[in-house]
Amino acid sequence: DAGITQSPRYKITETGRQVTLMCHQTWSHSYMFWYRQDLGHGLRLIYYSAAADITDKGEVPDGYVVSRSKTENFPLTLESATRSQTSVYFCASTRSPGLDSPPLEQYFGPGTRLTVT
Amino acid sequence: QQPVQSPQAVILREGEDAVINCSSSKALYSVHWYRQKHGEAPVFLMILLKGGEQKGHEKISASFNEKKQQSSLYLTASQLSYSGTYFCGTESNAGNNRKLIWGLGTSLAVNP
Repeated sequence: DAGITQSPRYKITETGRQVTLMCHQTWSHSYMFWYRQDLGHGLRLIYYSAAADITDKGEVPDGYVVSRSKTENFPLTLESATRSQTSVYFCASTRSPGLDSPPLEQYFGPGTRLTVT
Repeated sequence: QQPVQSPQAVILREGEDAVINCSSSKALYSVHWYRQKHGEAPVFLMILLKGGEQKGHEKISASFNEKKQQSSLYLTASQLSYSGTYFCGTESNAGNNRKLIWGLGTSLAVNP
């Protein structure tokens, strides 16, 4: 199906385990983003990627790892999950507007609700 | 710098109007508005560019005051479907790394 998907939609894991959240988009968008959303904090950028093999840290990158070997996939890995990483994770994508060009809207995936016990 | 949204929450009766503000201490290139319903992903509403451009989307419109570095979202004759949390995202330049810094959101409840 066309669009942006995330998997799993719900995940419960234990402290210390490694967890990978998947994000897949079918539009060949250049930019992809990972956000976490917690009550009282809004949307916080974890990592983003401007193109395949190009990633950069956002506001809250500690404890997370990303990779982007293919344009359509942008997995997020929690290397050793902690309770503070319990959150709702959103992946988003957008086309590259180009240097000095007006920005374009971001399309969000449905989110993954992660609970770390 | 994270933009500041005000008010934090607003309750309306159907048909009433509301204004949500988004202010930044940094010079802005663009302001983005999204709405998120409970349990769902944020959905795009509109983008404002510096230059004071005003945009509209049915009964929802927005403006961008470049001098004040503030954008305002106007919801007129509110409908029940307008309920949700409204987020602004700001962009300081149109350089190579395009990312948004988000406000904390404004919760809007429209009651019958």
